[in-house]
Amino acid sequence: EIVMTQSPGTLSVSPGERATLSCRASQSVIRNLAWYQQRPGQAPRLLIYSASVRAAGIPARFSGSGSGTEFTLTISSLQSEDFAVYYCQQYNKWPPITFGQGTRLDIK
Amino acid sequence: EVQLVESGGGLVQPGGSLRLSCAASGFTFSDHYMDWVRQAPGQGLEWVGRIRNKPSSYTTEYAASVKGRFTVSRDDSKNSLYLQMNSLKTEDTAMYYCARVYGTGWNSHYLDSWGQGTLVTVSS
Repeated sequence: EIVMTQSPGTLSVSPGERATLSCRASQSVIRNLAWYQQRPGQAPRLLIYSASVRAAGIPARFSGSGSGTEFTLTISSLQSEDFAVYYCQQYNKWPPITFGQGTRLDIK
Repeated sequence: EVQLVESGGGLVQPGGSLRLSCAASGFTFSDHYMDWVRQAPGQGLEWVGRIRNKPSSYTTEYAASVKGRFTVSRDDSKNSLYLQMNSLKTEDTAMYYCARVYGTGWNSHYLDSWGQGTLVTVSS
């Protein structure tokens, strides 16, 4: 099973600033990695797939990078609606599909 | 517009059974693999299981934590996905989401649409 580890667990950032979230895989997932956003009380929403491709309707301030075992999600200028929990997920080798434990992005 | 609507959650005693449903609309349901993902209260996301489409013989995969107790099935004529849960344990308490798998190719197995979830509580 591929273990996904996200850091930090919680990130406090002020609106308008940049946020950088990390995700590490226990073995290479090539670029078969997705990022999801989950706002309180809502279902997860796909943000990024193939490590760097924005899903339909996702604003350009969200960007993904990385390959192999190290990945990053960057939000360039935080808006109020961006404060949420973010999960990475690998889909290179399954079963099982595996998620990271999540990074909570809080307002500073 | 893609829509996934789960139903069937509720309170069940340990050792009991429950069947969840997911009604799909807005896309060709039969083309897609479909997943169940759960989230225990205050916790992260845990993949539960997957069912492939007809060209892939409707084969299924499960997380180790539910294998032998849960069964994923589908009825393409009704655009519906199901999760039969038997021998339920308190640790199965969670919100259960159905999700569409984008593609069938080896590099396209991300989850591009999610339902709002149905809550299952296992308690005596």
